[in-house]
Amino acid sequence: AQKVTQAQTEISVVEKEDVTLDCVYETRDTTYYLFWYKQPPSGELVFLIRRNSFDEQNEISGRYSWNFQKSTSSFNFTITASQVVDSAVYFCALRPSGGSYIPTFGRGTSLIVHP
Amino acid sequence: EAGVVQSPRYKIIEKKQPVAFWCNPISGHNTLYWYRQNLGQGPELLIRYENEEAVDDSQLPKDRFSAERLKGVDSTLKIQPAELGDSAVYLCASSLGVTGAVETQYFGPGTRLLVL
Repeated sequence: AQKVTQAQTEISVVEKEDVTLDCVYETRDTTYYLFWYKQPPSGELVFLIRRNSFDEQNEISGRYSWNFQKSTSSFNFTITASQVVDSAVYFCALRPSGGSYIPTFGRGTSLIVHP
Repeated sequence: EAGVVQSPRYKIIEKKQPVAFWCNPISGHNTLYWYRQNLGQGPELLIRYENEEAVDDSQLPKDRFSAERLKGVDSTLKIQPAELGDSAVYLCASSLGVTGAVETQYFGPGTRLLVL
């Protein structure tokens, strides 16, 4: 069985602060994919990143960066110099690389960035 | 280019009534997904279509839920009869549908269902 834990239910920061959203996962699969999505108040999930389990290279995209550590089963997401527009619910998800396409989502972390 | 379109955006019904949700994916996308998102939870996949074929429907409660995608384009998800526990947001997503590829899913805004 797969499990994704996002222990932080809600994080509140002031604009320009850096913030890290934690994601810890459990799976018996040897290969899998990890995802981060953003869900703004409008409701639709927006894809942010996909990471293969065999690629542990960290990634940076603008103010966003991701730290994948297979040894600790974690895939954390950092926003540098947060902005009010970053306010949203962020979801981490896990999907096997073969067989079923059924993803497992965490419960989400609500990020509130105050001006 | 238009994104994934869903209607209605909101629906309020009494329990035991039927309800249907409609989704039109991005043009050219062969794969379509229906998810259910309960309050304070992440989305849960209900069913995935590759063209007209339903695959990965193991999490669809088949006693009351049904879905169809007759021409491989738009899709309808139905609940009959609805129960109080069906109150949730129903999300539709689509992707290109390249066999064997892990694709980016594009989500619609969802239909928020309230069963009274």
